[in-house]
This record gives sequence, structure tokens and C-alpha cells, in this order.
Amino acid sequence: DAKTTQPPSMDCAEGRAANLPCNHSTISGNEYVYWYRQIHSQGPQYIIHGLKNNETNEMASLIITEDRKSSTLILPHATLRDTAVYYCIVRVAGRSNYQLIWGAGTKLIIKP
Amino acid sequence: AAGVIQSPRHLIKEKRETATLKCYPIPRHDTVYWYQQGPGQDPQFLISFYEKMQSDKGSIPDRFSAQQFSDYHSELNMSSLELGDSALYFCASSLARSWNSGNTIYFGEGSWLTVV
Repeated sequence: DAKTTQPPSMDCAEGRAANLPCNHSTISGNEYVYWYRQIHSQGPQYIIHGLKNNETNEMASLIITEDRKSSTLILPHATLRDTAVYYCIVRVAGRSNYQLIWGAGTKLIIKP
Repeated sequence: AAGVIQSPRHLIKEKRETATLKCYPIPRHDTVYWYQQGPGQDPQFLISFYEKMQSDKGSIPDRFSAQQFSDYHSELNMSSLELGDSALYFCASSLARSWNSGNTIYFGEGSWLTVV
């Protein structure tokens, strides 16, 4: 079962910051939060991940609340090419390896 | 940089036929994962391999099998295909010690299987 909940869809104006929320209230202390996106049934593209500190890379920023029960992905200047389904995923320990448990994702539509 | 390579990209098979999908991980990656994504659905974990041994098993049907070879590439074999097997199949790869210490896994572009 997915450990994350996200709004099913969001709109954002081109050039503005897109803020995508994610709830992961049952996350354990050693479980990372990952964000991937999928553009029209292409392979999932890695965006960013974090454990408890805020993270930033060339694509996005990840803000994790202090209690780690929720996080927000920020795309600072959204472009039309950022239209995609964004997945917030918790990495959990499997029997012998870690696994990504996918939820339903947020369909982000960037409007001109 | 080299990415995860999957082949074929598209495949059409009839019911009850057999299909084989191939995955070539990023060089030096020792772990491979297979996911299935049905139309309008989220990716579902099927199976993973580490150092040529099965490491975890998800919702892989008994009609499916997979293995990882000495060169670390992996093949997903699907037999007695059903209409419901029509999906996008993703492979991902990672370097285990890097993944275990909190880095990421990378996905291929996927193989579209259509069963008619």
C-alpha cells in the first residue's frame, strides 16, 4: 500500500513556482522521500529526494516538515515542459533490498 | 551519461503467446528492478535482482519469470499472455551500496506490451 497521499491534479501558470504537496504521515525514521515525474508514459524521471533536511538541486527544491509527515516539491519557474504526473514516493525496506512504493501521483498542468 | 536501456520498445503479442523483455542497466550498477504500469495506473513493483540473485518479489504473476545475467542485464519472460498483461514495463537500476546509503535508482524508457 502507498504510504503517500497527493492531490490528484493541480494547475500552475507558466513562469510561476509550482508547489506540490505530499502527505506521508506514517513514514518511518529511516525512510526517504523521493520525487519522480512521468511525462506522458515515458520512463519515470528522478527529480529529488531527502530524508529530513531540505534539499535543492538544479531541477527543484524539496521542503520536508520537521515532523517528516509531509513535504512539498517546488519547481521554481515552471515551464510548459514541466506538465507531467509527479509522484511522491517513500522508499521502504523490502525483504533484502529497498523498494519504492508508488502512490497515485499529482497531474500537474502548466498553463501559458 | 549512459542510461538504462530497454528492448524492445514496443511489442505486440497474441493471447497465450510468450514475450521476453530485456533490460541493460547503467554500467557498474548491480541491481535491477522490474515494474509494470497498466493504462492509467501507477507503477507496480514486480521483482528485483542483486548480483544475479533475486532479492525481492512483488506482484509478479506465476506466469512471469525473470533473471539477471553475468553481465548484469536482466530479462523478463512472460508466458501464456493475457489481455490484462498489456502494460508499460519499466526496468530500473541502481548501485546497491549507493542506493542503500540513500541515493537513487534510475528508470529506463519502458517497453510497451500489447496483447491482442
